[in-house]
Amino acid sequence: KQEVTQIPAALSVPEGENLVLNCSFTDSAIYNLQWFRQDPGKGLTSLLLIQSSQREQTSGRLNASLDKSSGRSTLYIAASQPGDSATYLCAAFFITNAGKSTFGDGTTLTVKP
Amino acid sequence: NAGVMQNPRHLVRRRGQEARLRCSPMKGHSHVYWYRQLPEEGLKFMVYLQKENIIDESGMPKERFSAEFPKEGPSILRIQQVVRGDSAAYFCASSQAGRTGLNSPLHFGNGTRLTVT
Repeated sequence: KQEVTQIPAALSVPEGENLVLNCSFTDSAIYNLQWFRQDPGKGLTSLLLIQSSQREQTSGRLNASLDKSSGRSTLYIAASQPGDSATYLCAAFFITNAGKSTFGDGTTLTVKP
Repeated sequence: NAGVMQNPRHLVRRRGQEARLRCSPMKGHSHVYWYRQLPEEGLKFMVYLQKENIIDESGMPKERFSAEFPKEGPSILRIQQVVRGDSAAYFCASSQAGRTGLNSPLHFGNGTRLTVT
């Protein structure tokens, strides 16, 4: 069964700290992996998409890495801010899964001022 | 350049009524996906559609739920005879290309929050 797991489920850090969110997937045969942010009561905002042939993508203070062989992706957030508080979701697009992405349950991040 | 549009944002139905949720994909996108998010749970895939075709409905409950994406107009997720357990946030996503467009990101709408009383 193709699954995506995110650990930890929740994380609280002081403002300014660098942090890493983890995502693991059970099948290395993926087209891509996408990171999203979800604010309470809102939809999902796409942060970064890593193609299967890439090892990392960067956008501002965010850096996402991909290691297919180990089935892992990380989202690195530099110099965290209270506005970064949200739930972060990763989604793997498995090759054999008929075109749909499978989501992890997310990591809820709280950045304390 | 409008994103994925879902309406209504909030929908309240009594048990036994029908719920119709609408999704207009981003301009130029022909692939639509519906996901459900139960309270305190993650996103679960329901159905993947292209224009006039259901590609994968493996996540849809066998009864009461149906989806369509007609040639003209939005995609519709229809829930007949709603029950309290259907209360959830229903999200629609679209992409420019599906399985053959390997690196086409998903774009999500803001969701429809269904409450069954």
